[in-house]
Amino acid sequence: AQSVTQLGSHVSVSEGALVLLRCNYSSSVPPYLFWYVQYPNQGLQLLLKYTTGATLVKGINGFEAEFKKSETSFHLTKPSAHMSDAAEYFCAVSVVTGTASKLTFGTGTRLQVTL
Amino acid sequence: GAVVSQHPSRVICKSGTSVKIECRSLDFQATTMFWYRQFPKQSLMLMATSNEGSKATYEQGVEKDKFLINHASLTLSTLTVTSAHPEDSSFYICSARTVTLYRGYTFGSGTRLTVV
Repeated sequence: AQSVTQLGSHVSVSEGALVLLRCNYSSSVPPYLFWYVQYPNQGLQLLLKYTTGATLVKGINGFEAEFKKSETSFHLTKPSAHMSDAAEYFCAVSVVTGTASKLTFGTGTRLQVTL
Repeated sequence: GAVVSQHPSRVICKSGTSVKIECRSLDFQATTMFWYRQFPKQSLMLMATSNEGSKATYEQGVEKDKFLINHASLTLSTLTVTSAHPEDSSFYICSARTVTLYRGYTFGSGTRLTVV
């Protein structure tokens, strides 16, 4: 079974500062990894995903994440935070077996951006 | 891109009544849909997985007779909360996946259910 651990339920950064949201995964087979963002009372929007190939994945809104197999990590970064980045961020892992797969989410990290 | 439409966005119902939530894939065929429940400031908990034309697979601890899931077509899945109680109040989110192109998972905008 796969699992995801997000370190830090709440992260606060200043506007313009680096954003780093941590995610570690556990999977017995090669995983697919995702980062989603959720704004209040809304569904989840995909920021980026890693399936195969290049380990540095670029997503929307200037976010990127690097898959590090040796560290079982998939940390999300953004060089310069913007006020509009304030939201809840979820890391998720999916393992595909045949045609079956499902997402397992981390507990989420709330990003606060201050002036 | 892939769009999933979820309705209603908010619903208030009385205890003992049933509520139906719809999830539609607008521009692709969703062979598999997922229903999640999210408590305030918590992560998403998978309730069940539904495949078009077959019975849903429920996660452990989820009452299948209370949360009825129907996936009658490749573009529509419904979740019916039967005999709702205040403890069923929550944020419900659907997600869809297509097997023909691995786009990942596309989420609906969620439904805030309040049972009074």
